[in-house]
Amino acid sequence: EIVLTQSPGTLSLSPGERATLSCRSSQTVSSNYLAWYQQKPGQAPRLLIFGAFNRAVGIPDRFSGSVSGADFTLTISRLEPEDFAVYYCQQYGNPPLYTFGQGTKLEIK
Amino acid sequence: VQLQESGPGLVKPSGTLSLTCDVSGGATTINSWWSWVRQSPGKGLEWIGEIHGSGRTTYNPSLSSRVTISVDNSRNQFSLEVTSVTAADTAVYYCTRNGQVSLEYWGQGILVTVSS
Repeated sequence: EIVLTQSPGTLSLSPGERATLSCRSSQTVSSNYLAWYQQKPGQAPRLLIFGAFNRAVGIPDRFSGSVSGADFTLTISRLEPEDFAVYYCQQYGNPPLYTFGQGTKLEIK
Repeated sequence: VQLQESGPGLVKPSGTLSLTCDVSGGATTINSWWSWVRQSPGKGLEWIGEIHGSGRTTYNPSLSSRVTISVDNSRNQFSLEVTSVTAADTAVYYCTRNGQVSLEYWGQGILVTVSS
């Protein structure tokens, strides 16, 4: 089973700063079948990025995704107060069909 | 697209967990793939399985022996059954609509506790 490892576990930053979140796959993720989600306390996850690069509907352009080999990155260019949350990566295709990383908590410094 | 989970919040050990997801907001179950995902403190987010409006299903191998997902297109809803539940099945259960290699729309989630 494919394993997605997210780092860091917790990231402490201030509004206006740039956030870089990493997701490393234990196996090749087919055709960049990777997504990113944001989850706030008491809420369901919200899709941010699909296909490694593509922003979901309504997602601000300060969120961007990139990939280098087995390493996927979510970048938030300038943090807004509402961006502080937990972020998950998810792969599609390797059994089981959908697998999630353990999450990165982005907290206010 | 709106999704709303419903069902008992408390299930006894060895019993069956049964949840329903009502779909509204213009989407119809017959034309899409739909999934169930659960989230527990111990295991994070775990995909349970999916169903298409045609009735075709795919399950997580780790749960497939205990899980059944079904769809009722006439009611625009789909359902989840998990048999022989234990405390490890305690989680928030979400229903979702599948997007492109992702889970595009999510319900608000329902907490199910397995306890006697």
